[in-house]
Amino acid sequence: LAKTTQPISMDSYEGQEVNITCSHNNIATNDYITWYQQFPSQGPRFIIQGYKTKVTNEVASLFIPADRKSSTLSLPRVSLSDTAVYYCLVGLSGGSYIPTFGRGTSLIVHP
Amino acid sequence: GAVVSQHPSWVICKSGTSVKIECRSLDFQATTMFWYRQFPKQSLMLMATSNEGSKATYEQGVEKDKFLINHASLTLSTLTVTSAHPEDSSFYICSATGSHPGGNGYTFGSGTRLTVV
Repeated sequence: LAKTTQPISMDSYEGQEVNITCSHNNIATNDYITWYQQFPSQGPRFIIQGYKTKVTNEVASLFIPADRKSSTLSLPRVSLSDTAVYYCLVGLSGGSYIPTFGRGTSLIVHP
Repeated sequence: GAVVSQHPSWVICKSGTSVKIECRSLDFQATTMFWYRQFPKQSLMLMATSNEGSKATYEQGVEKDKFLINHASLTLSTLTVTSAHPEDSSFYICSATGSHPGGNGYTFGSGTRLTVV
């Protein structure tokens, strides 16, 4: 199972773009990269998943370089409600691995 | 989308009593469910993995006789904390995967805050 490394915490201000990078040096060929968001006293919520290059949805973008040893979650124009812990997970897609969580990145958005 | 309902959202119990937490997949068949425990300011720690109709597989250090997991149907898994003690107070989260209607394959419940007094 590929281990992931993320910054423990980040601070930002409302309206700014936030980029959170995750390192996964031993990612396997068939592994996907998935990001989750967790608010206090709630379960994790799926944000985005990707395999390579760039993926964008209505809430975020995910950038994955060619070597796939890292990935960057990009949150455009954050608001106070984006204050949460963000987790990067690596594994097979389609529910065929055990989701194992690292320490995550605690993002605090300031007014 | 896939929805997992977890109940109760919080519970307070006396030391020595047992508490049951339910995790239901509402719109898909959950062939596999995962149970996590999360202490304040920490990440989710996997406790066990359960497949429908099979005995759960517990992670190292998790007492299977204390944390009873039942996954008797494709839509319901339960975690029973037996003879609870204050050190069992934590946030418990379930996750399910199976015949998901889209998404990335995993859906998490909203969690259960257990406080043992």
